Amino acid sequence: GAVVSQHPSWVICKSGTSVKIECRSLDFQATTMFWYRQFPKQSLMLMATSNEGSKATYEQGVEKDKFLINHASLTLSTLTVTSAHPEDSSFYICSAQTSGERNEQFFGPGTRLTVL
Amino acid sequence: GQQLNQSPQSMFIQEGEDVSMNCTSSSIFNTWLWYKQDPGEGPVLLIALYKAGELTSNGRLTAQFGITRKDSFLNISASIPSDVGIYFCAGRLGNEKLTFGTGTRLTIIP
Repeated sequence: GAVVSQHPSWVICKSGTSVKIECRSLDFQATTMFWYRQFPKQSLMLMATSNEGSKATYEQGVEKDKFLINHASLTLSTLTVTSAHPEDSSFYICSAQTSGERNEQFFGPGTRLTVL
Repeated sequence: GQQLNQSPQSMFIQEGEDVSMNCTSSSIFNTWLWYKQDPGEGPVLLIALYKAGELTSNGRLTAQFGITRKDSFLNISASIPSDVGIYFCAGRLGNEKLTFGTGTRLTIIP
């Protein structure tokens, strides 16, 4: 299957700082990428859909000014958690969607964010 | 957001046993996907289904797209220790976003 990478795999930061997470599709181009958040023992919750060259579409209840998304190329989307607080601590997972009839989604390995 | 109902929520089985889990929805989908997630990792795609009634295998895994388009099941035969993890179903209609199931946690008892 297609490979999606995320960087960093984990990050610990102080409250009030901003953290940037990168998501890359390594062997295919993705016009659409997705950002999910997962709390312990829960399913994945979609935060936003990232479209190359246009603004992201945020799910209800997700603050767009807090979770900045940039999809500047067909292989890279970034999520910046601005002014992070302890309640933002979570497992953030991106996925990239292949083009064509089947539109399969492949997930990155996730980024564990801990805000102190 | 909406979630699919997945059952059972958790399973405790012995190595070598067969496993069956299913996913139901109140609305129809035209794509069903099954993922496995290991602790601290992202989900990995196991099987993708695109047609009602479709039955697809991937090694010891078999999944079916329900004829009503509102359900899907995943079977694992002769379970082994590396099958431990959380299994998620996901459904999609057209170009809409994926809707995920609540997950089934599989544990193998030594």
